[in-house]
Amino acid sequence: GAGVSQSPSNKVTEKGKDVELRCDPISGHTALYWYRQSLGQGLEFLIYFQGNSAPDKSGLPSDRFSAERTGGSVSTLTIQRTQQEDSAVYLCASSLEGSYGYTFGSGTRLTVV
Amino acid sequence: AQSVTQLGSHVSVSEGALVLLRCNYSSSVPPYLFWYVQYPNQGLQLLLKYTTGATLVKGINGFEAEFKKSETSFHLTKPSAHMSDAAEYFCAVISQAGTALIFGKGTTLSVSS
Repeated sequence: GAGVSQSPSNKVTEKGKDVELRCDPISGHTALYWYRQSLGQGLEFLIYFQGNSAPDKSGLPSDRFSAERTGGSVSTLTIQRTQQEDSAVYLCASSLEGSYGYTFGSGTRLTVV
Repeated sequence: AQSVTQLGSHVSVSEGALVLLRCNYSSSVPPYLFWYVQYPNQGLQLLLKYTTGATLVKGINGFEAEFKKSETSFHLTKPSAHMSDAAEYFCAVISQAGTALIFGKGTTLSVSS
């Protein structure tokens, strides 16, 4: 597609429920990133996918967080047993390998009540 | 370890005044540095980047930044602010592994008429 597409744009969930956030990167972009943006905290790196290589999961804050990327394209970020502190905007970005010029999606605003 | 410090979480200027947003970095490898802008309810957009070569980098919308190794700085400037420049600005440095961007906490720029 023309840009990075994220869905849903907004998600309200009850504490303890699982949520899935979707990212559809730019066609041909082999690198895909997930970041979390919390008020006053800037952007926190979560996970990085590059082609068929093993993902860099070093930023995932707990084992409740996981992500996968199917067929080198669409990615899903899953948060299990959501907590109120998981409330944030989750941003996805993609880039060509080695480019560092990320294209970001508009994000998913997650609210845990 | 790589890190970025943005001095001032909020900067206010008058329309037509100089914009100066400060960024200092810490990097154990030659740094690749970036400035991104985020308009309300949108994803981040790349303003400019420094990888190698000329230390004064020009970006979109009249912004520029100068890499100063001796000062470990990469401040963002624009000679004359426009109302449309009001947004949040993020400085970033490439991670040591080169796999992701490490962002600062952001600076919100307000422009008054």
